[in-house]
Amino acid sequence: DTEVTQTPKHLVMGMTNKKSLKCEQHMGHRAMYWYKQKAKKPPELMFVYSYEKLSINESVPSRFSPECPNSSLLNLHLHALQPEDSALYLCASSQVPERSTDTQYFGPGTRLTVL
Amino acid sequence: AQKITQTQPGMFVQEKEAVTLDCTYDTSDPSYGLFWYKQPSSGEMIFLIYQGSYDQQNATEGRYSLNFQKARKSANLVISASQLGDSAMYFCAMRLGSYSSASKIIFGSGTRLSIRP
Repeated sequence: DTEVTQTPKHLVMGMTNKKSLKCEQHMGHRAMYWYKQKAKKPPELMFVYSYEKLSINESVPSRFSPECPNSSLLNLHLHALQPEDSALYLCASSQVPERSTDTQYFGPGTRLTVL
Repeated sequence: AQKITQTQPGMFVQEKEAVTLDCTYDTSDPSYGLFWYKQPSSGEMIFLIYQGSYDQQNATEGRYSLNFQKARKSANLVISASQLGDSAMYFCAMRLGSYSSASKIIFGSGTRLSIRP
């Protein structure tokens, strides 16, 4: 089973709202990732949690705040977003994050619209 | 610098024909992994196939095969007997090993494949 789940599927929020995206995996993977994807572009890495610690932050604005409560869960807290933050947000997980052989498995994504 | 190049922004192929999606990469690291992902209009990134830099044989997964030419630094995806459901965006990606806790994956710009009935 290589399933990564994400909720919600769609989210519409105003610029003053606070919302959260949730990601879950039960494959025993030790790394989890957040990506942002604009239309017709490849995914852009935002954050990596490796062994439940924040390992990579790709200079993401502070209005995006990641959280990893345990090895199976990854949240992305959103606050005071801008319309240009509207995108598909993808979560992924992988088993051994240091290895080049490590495959990332993606969830179905959350389509976020900021009004 | 590490880089993945996909030179075909879009392709149209007749149903049941074979199709080759091009991918070239650039790295000086001897250890790397190459991946292909499929992204339908629904948005989910679906893992298709993996090739390791030390693998002697080309990877195959059902109708998918990876034509790995190490000297030319190419990792083309071949889909045999294409189906209407193969219409999607396809991304080639590369991952290096890391001495730190996690390594990044680098994506190409993608190829949009459209299958004609």
